[in-house]
Amino acid sequence: AQSVTQLGSHVSVSEGALVLLRCNYSSSVPPYLFWYVQYPNQGLQLLLKYTSAATLVKGINGFEAEFKKSETSFHLTKPSAHMSDAAEYFCAVRVSGSARQLTFGSGTQLTVLP
Amino acid sequence: EAGVTQFPSHSVIEKGQTVTLRCDPISGHDNLYWYRRVMGKEIKFLLHFVKESKQDESGMPNNRFLAERTGGTYSTLKVQPAELEDSGVYFCASSQPAGGPETQYFGPGTRLLVL
Repeated sequence: AQSVTQLGSHVSVSEGALVLLRCNYSSSVPPYLFWYVQYPNQGLQLLLKYTSAATLVKGINGFEAEFKKSETSFHLTKPSAHMSDAAEYFCAVRVSGSARQLTFGSGTQLTVLP
Repeated sequence: EAGVTQFPSHSVIEKGQTVTLRCDPISGHDNLYWYRRVMGKEIKFLLHFVKESKQDESGMPNNRFLAERTGGTYSTLKVQPAELEDSGVYFCASSQPAGGPETQYFGPGTRLLVL
């Protein structure tokens, strides 16, 4: 069975600083990996997804993530935080094959300080 | 294009009552998923429809939960009778099969509070 661990339920950064949100996964087969963001009172929105085409994945709003098989990680980064990035971020995994459901991490609340 | 919509946005009921949540997927999406997030925990899968058929309901917690998808369009999730531990946010997502892992588009969720 697959699982996802997000280190840090709350992360605070200053506006303009680097954003780093950590995600480690466990999967016995090659995974598909996703990052979603949830703004207040909205649904989850896909930021980016890893599908094995390239290890460095670029997403929307300046975010990117790098798949590192040796570290079983898929950390999300953004070079310069903006106030509008304040939201909750979820890492999710789906194994290849017939099962299509996502397995989520517990989420990381990002606060951006002025 | 309209996104995934869910109704109601909030529901407060007493233990033992019945609640029905509705999800309207993106038009044309065959896959429909229900997930739940209990307070402070991770979002967990409940079940997956392909058109009107239940493809996978391994995440349904017990037989108090009943999901249907009439004619392969909208879906309902009924909780009867509701218990305190059913409180949480219920998300619906839809997708259309693609060559690789398709993107699941999520609705805003229904916040259920059982008192």
